Amino acid sequence: QVQLVQSGAEVKEPGASVKVSCKTSGYTFAGYFIHWVRQAPGQGLEWMGWVSPTSGGTNYAQKFQGRVTMTRDTSVTTAYMELSSLRSDDTAVYYCARDTGDYYRSTSYYEPWGQGTLVTVSS
Amino acid sequence: QSVLTQPPSVSGAPGQRVTISCTGSSSNIGAGFDVHWYQQLPGTTPKLLIYGNTNRPSGVPDRFSGSKSGTSASLAITGLQAEDEADYYCQSHDSSLSVHVVFGGGTKLTVL
Repeated sequence: QVQLVQSGAEVKEPGASVKVSCKTSGYTFAGYFIHWVRQAPGQGLEWMGWVSPTSGGTNYAQKFQGRVTMTRDTSVTTAYMELSSLRSDDTAVYYCARDTGDYYRSTSYYEPWGQGTLVTVSS
Repeated sequence: QSVLTQPPSVSGAPGQRVTISCTGSSSNIGAGFDVHWYQQLPGTTPKLLIYGNTNRPSGVPDRFSGSKSGTSASLAITGLQAEDEADYYCQSHDSSLSVHVVFGGGTKLTVL
């Protein structure tokens, strides 16, 4: 079955960087964009951006421009999200999700999601 | 402050019908972009509930239905069950340059 399995929880100091991986299986990796969404404790969902599995092209929410880098490695069907200059308000669960819709037709929707990776930023 | 506005909470007794609204603007729902809904059970990951305004993925009971009109969308749940207690989120696209995919702030459904 289609699965997205993320790397484990991380604790980082302010100013550091974190890189979260999202290993996919059960489908053709090249066929679907991978999006990243985060959820701060007790809060709602916030879209961060996407990476194309074929071209490696990316698109980020303006809020994260300059701090986020999304990449992929087709040889291991894995997507990555790196966030730098971490602050305490970056503490959140970070999810990867497969875009089962079509971003270029402005109808992205997500199924399935990874299990989430808790990133805690604290000194 | 989320781009799409949802009520923070709704409640209903078992067997009842509840609706959750999702209000947007002319740059997202009103621009014709599809609305999708997710269910997040306590301590779990979001699960796709409705896509393309009205469509249910296989396995989602027909007690769940979606609709869209103008700048708003709604999720209706009929025959409410205890296991429906969860957070529900709407999602759409936005023509803003700053963010292209937007979510509602989420609605906590309590089954009384």
